Amino acid sequence: KAGVTQTPRYLIKTRGQQVTLSCSPISGHRSVSWYQQTPGQGLQFLFEYFSETQRNKGNFPGRFSGRQFSNSRSEMNVSTLELGDSALYLCASTVQGPNTEAFFGQGTRLTVV
Amino acid sequence: GENVEQHPSTLSVQEGDSAVIKCTYSDSASNYFPWYKQELGKRPQLIIDIRSNVGEKKDQRIAVTLNKTAKHFSLHITETQPEDSAVYFCAASILTGTASKLTFGTGTRLQVTL
Repeated sequence: KAGVTQTPRYLIKTRGQQVTLSCSPISGHRSVSWYQQTPGQGLQFLFEYFSETQRNKGNFPGRFSGRQFSNSRSEMNVSTLELGDSALYLCASTVQGPNTEAFFGQGTRLTVV
Repeated sequence: GENVEQHPSTLSVQEGDSAVIKCTYSDSASNYFPWYKQELGKRPQLIIDIRSNVGEKKDQRIAVTLNKTAKHFSLHITETQPEDSAVYFCAASILTGTASKLTFGTGTRLQVTL
């Protein structure tokens, strides 16, 4: 069974631009969550999607948004990029969502210059 | 919202010794506590988890304990080996309706020396 796949693996963007990251969950997993990982801050929750609906949202500005498609694949978008958005963005999928093992992708390393 | 504190931020032990990482959480509604291991350049992977109706759980050299009254939980690794060197994250999950989110600690970098 294929694991969680994130694309692209690396991105370099300029301040003010926007970016879209993609996450394909494990087959059969319907819940996808997104996290931002930065040194010293650990993993911070962005949002969770289940059956194309956002069920939970972290404390990030509205520049961060996401969506989920009918095949459970998810995308997150960051608009008007800032230098502080440079981070590793991880997505995780679970079978149902609440309190079950989350399987992480390899992440997308975003660098904003 | 939920807040998870994790200590220590770095931990160095000699091979064969035990390592203990401690976490505290703020919301008494949290009912699921996973631990993830992240090796350098790799994705976080679940190593053990515990639910609020259990006080302790073991899996070979790894154990987790939970004290709901004090709102803290700990990871214990015995007979440490060099391959245990990694960053370890604790997390707490709050169930709200049908949704949940993992709130992570800031991580502990464990170095096992020969």
